[in-house]
Amino acid sequence: GAVVSQHPSWVICKSGTSVKIECRSLDFQATTMFWYRQFPKQSLMLMATSNEGSKATYEQGVEKDKFLINHASLTLSTLTVTSAHPEDSSFYICSAPPLNYGYTFGSGTRLTVV
Amino acid sequence: DAKTTQPPSMDCAEGRAANLPCNHSTISGNEYVYWYRQIHSQGPQYIIHGLKNNETNEMASLIITEDRKSSTLILPHATLRDTAVYYCIVRFETSYDKVIFGPGTSLSVIP
Repeated sequence: GAVVSQHPSWVICKSGTSVKIECRSLDFQATTMFWYRQFPKQSLMLMATSNEGSKATYEQGVEKDKFLINHASLTLSTLTVTSAHPEDSSFYICSAPPLNYGYTFGSGTRLTVV
Repeated sequence: DAKTTQPPSMDCAEGRAANLPCNHSTISGNEYVYWYRQIHSQGPQYIIHGLKNNETNEMASLIITEDRKSSTLILPHATLRDTAVYYCIVRFETSYDKVIFGPGTSLSVIP
């Protein structure tokens, strides 16, 4: 079945530094990738939609300059958290649109900013 | 996509059937009901989906009412590993639209 590989699974970074999270579709081409953020005991919150070859679409309230999304190819989408601060600590998840059985999700990245 | 409502939490005894309800009264004729679950600190996992007929796979069964306004996900013999948050989503099968998650149902399987 469709697999989305997300790396890293966890990362700790210092405040003010940038962190890149990668999501790769391993056995299919993903022209679109959705990026979610999840705080403890809360549901997934959609941050943005990346599209191969065009600019990402951000949800209301999400800072475009802080969360840089690039969809470099049909198999790779990246999320860069720039100038990270402790309040950016969260669980980030990517997801590719359906093949036959709905969305395929990455395994998530736990970001901790210290 | 149609909005769904689910109970915030449920308990189930290990080995018993877990029945998770979902209301989707505004579902349109071509929208499917999808179920996902998320085990702590993992990405959501697809469970099952259906249009109007009951569906069964190796993980669960999906019962959709005749008027399609509600459905029930059944885990026939719940185990501790089924403890997770379960999300019910309605959408078109081949849609590439974004998915907005509700709060889901937190299922606790109790020994």
